[in-house]
Amino acid sequence: SQELEQSPQSLIVQEGKNLTINCTSSKTLYGLYWYKQKYGEGLIFLMMLQKGGEEKSHEKITAKLDEKKQQSSLHITASQPSHAGIYLCGADSTGTASKLTFGTGTRLQVTL
Amino acid sequence: KAGVTQTPRYLIKTRGQQVTLSCSPISGHRSVSWYQQTPGQGLQFLFEYFSETQRNKGNFPGRFSGRQFSNSRSEMNVSTLELGDSALYLCASSFVGSETQYFGPGTRLLVL
Repeated sequence: SQELEQSPQSLIVQEGKNLTINCTSSKTLYGLYWYKQKYGEGLIFLMMLQKGGEEKSHEKITAKLDEKKQQSSLHITASQPSHAGIYLCGADSTGTASKLTFGTGTRLQVTL
Repeated sequence: KAGVTQTPRYLIKTRGQQVTLSCSPISGHRSVSWYQQTPGQGLQFLFEYFSETQRNKGNFPGRFSGRQFSNSRSEMNVSTLELGDSALYLCASSFVGSETQYFGPGTRLLVL
């Protein structure tokens, strides 16, 4: 079965600093999804990557999928308190995108 | 468009009871997936329904079951509740042909 490992597990950054979260898969990815979760709430879709080398950006968040499609990184530029939460990467293991395997999550705190 | 809705949002049950959770997908979405999130195991896939048929299933015991109605609304049922079933249960819907799942706010179940 596919496994996803995220690093770091938690992160505390000062407002305005940049940060990167990594997601490594044990198998080649059909698709890689990034979600954000506020504690105890639902997941908010951020981005989806499918092609090796693909890079997508939304506001101050950029995600990239490496050429071999086994690792993805999420980069936040000039972090803000609104970026705080748990970031989860999810892998599509069936090609239907309806059954996702998730990483353990990265808890991000942004201090003033 | 309204997002994915889940009812109830919070639920307290005792061991041995059964529970039914409901999920209404985004209008036009025909695939509904269910996930269980716990601090120890993280976010795990339960099952997926498409056009009233279970299309994918995770590694959960038979006490966990679900169904989907003709209007794409879905329910999941857990019988003979155990303490370990305490979790946040999330459902997600997607449009056929789209690779993105959109999540609801979740139902938090506490088993005493």
